[in-house]
Amino acid sequence: AQTVTQSQPEMSVQEAETVTLSCTYDTSESDYYLFWYKQPPSRQMILVIRQEAYKQQNATENRFSVNFQKAAKSFSLKISDSQLGDAAMYFCAYNSWGKLQFGSGTQVVVTP
Amino acid sequence: EADIYQTPRYLVIGTGKKITLECSQTMGHDKMYWYQQDPGMELHLIHYSYGVNSTEKGDLSSESTVSRIRTEHFPLTLESARPSHTSQYLCASSELGTGHGYTFGSGTRLTVV
Repeated sequence: AQTVTQSQPEMSVQEAETVTLSCTYDTSESDYYLFWYKQPPSRQMILVIRQEAYKQQNATENRFSVNFQKAAKSFSLKISDSQLGDAAMYFCAYNSWGKLQFGSGTQVVVTP
Repeated sequence: EADIYQTPRYLVIGTGKKITLECSQTMGHDKMYWYQQDPGMELHLIHYSYGVNSTEKGDLSSESTVSRIRTEHFPLTLESARPSHTSQYLCASSELGTGHGYTFGSGTRLTVV
């Protein structure tokens, strides 16, 4: 069974600074997809970024980028130039057979 | 605008009542899911469907039931609500294939008193 681990329950970052959220996963599959989702307080969960395991190039979406280390089974998210609107719970997720497996989440707090 | 809708947004109901949480999507997605999100924010898959007349139980055992009579509609029913059912319920949908992310609804926060 696949498992996804987020070891940081909460991370705090100042506006305009950079924060990195860690995620590790366990799998015996060679082809899979990884995602980061953002859940703002009392709002809809939205997809932040997606990574295909067979692609070595790290995905980037504006201020969000990932560091994908397939051999280490690590998938961290970097938020650059943090903004107040980035405050949310962030979930790492793994998809191999059509069902997403989520980590326990990391709460990101952004301070002015 | 293509989206996924959940109603009601909040529900407070007495023990023993029957409730149905509604979920509809306008994207034509074949796959739909129900997640239960506990107070610690962890997400647990309780039901999923890969198409009309297809429903499966998820990883977390749940007393709820689901149906999929139409592609766009995936309601969740609790025949007799209990305080232990108090939680946030999230509905999601996706296209076929493993590379697609999910689109989530805004959730239903259920409180059983």
